[in-house]
Amino acid sequence: EVQLVESGGDLVQPGGSLRLSCAASGFTFSRYELNWVRQAPGKGLEWLSYISTSGSNTYYADSVRGRFTISRDNAKNSLYLQMHSLRAEDTALYYCAREEKMASDAFDLWGQGTVVTVSS
Amino acid sequence: DIQMTQSPSSLSASVGDRVTITCRASQSISSYLNWYQQKPGKAPKVLIYGASSLQSGVPSRFSGSGSGTDFTLTISSLQPEDSATYYCQQSYSTPRTFGQGTKVEIK
Repeated sequence: EVQLVESGGDLVQPGGSLRLSCAASGFTFSRYELNWVRQAPGKGLEWLSYISTSGSNTYYADSVRGRFTISRDNAKNSLYLQMHSLRAEDTALYYCAREEKMASDAFDLWGQGTVVTVSS
Repeated sequence: DIQMTQSPSSLSASVGDRVTITCRASQSISSYLNWYQQKPGKAPKVLIYGASSLQSGVPSRFSGSGSGTDFTLTISSLQPEDSATYYCQQSYSTPRTFGQGTKVEIK
């Protein structure tokens, strides 16, 4: 089955760190660019970060640049998001999403999300 | 950064109605505009990519149009299962910004 499965979400104190993972299956992982998107409770979608197929190119939203790091391991079919200096406003459901070049770079495959709660 | 503005933020319509949602980009994005549907507790699902191409498996009552800065998502005959929040997103440049969403409710 073609799918993305996120994990690693947890309750963490402000200023803390967390590493999210996204495991891919059912498709050739190394051929796809990937993204992280989050959704705060009751809010809309916020794009966070992008990584190229090789991992050599990355981009970040202003809200997380310098605190979050995206990476991938093509040998393990996995995407990661390392998060540091977490704030209450980082509380959200975090999705990984695959970008499809043949569909105008639309996000054609999403995981189910993993919940990050930042609170003391 | 390119800003995406959707309107309306919410709407209520009856089964069978024609529903239109608009999305405006703060600068030209050619046809790099995608539409997503999100139901409560679920991940978003792409409906339309490249402004007007229907994603495989999506009912034909959904259609998209526009180019440049102004885009439209149309549901030709609203069905009960279309109750959801709809988001536009530009994939012209990074950051891949989303609109704020349009919540569609069934009367």
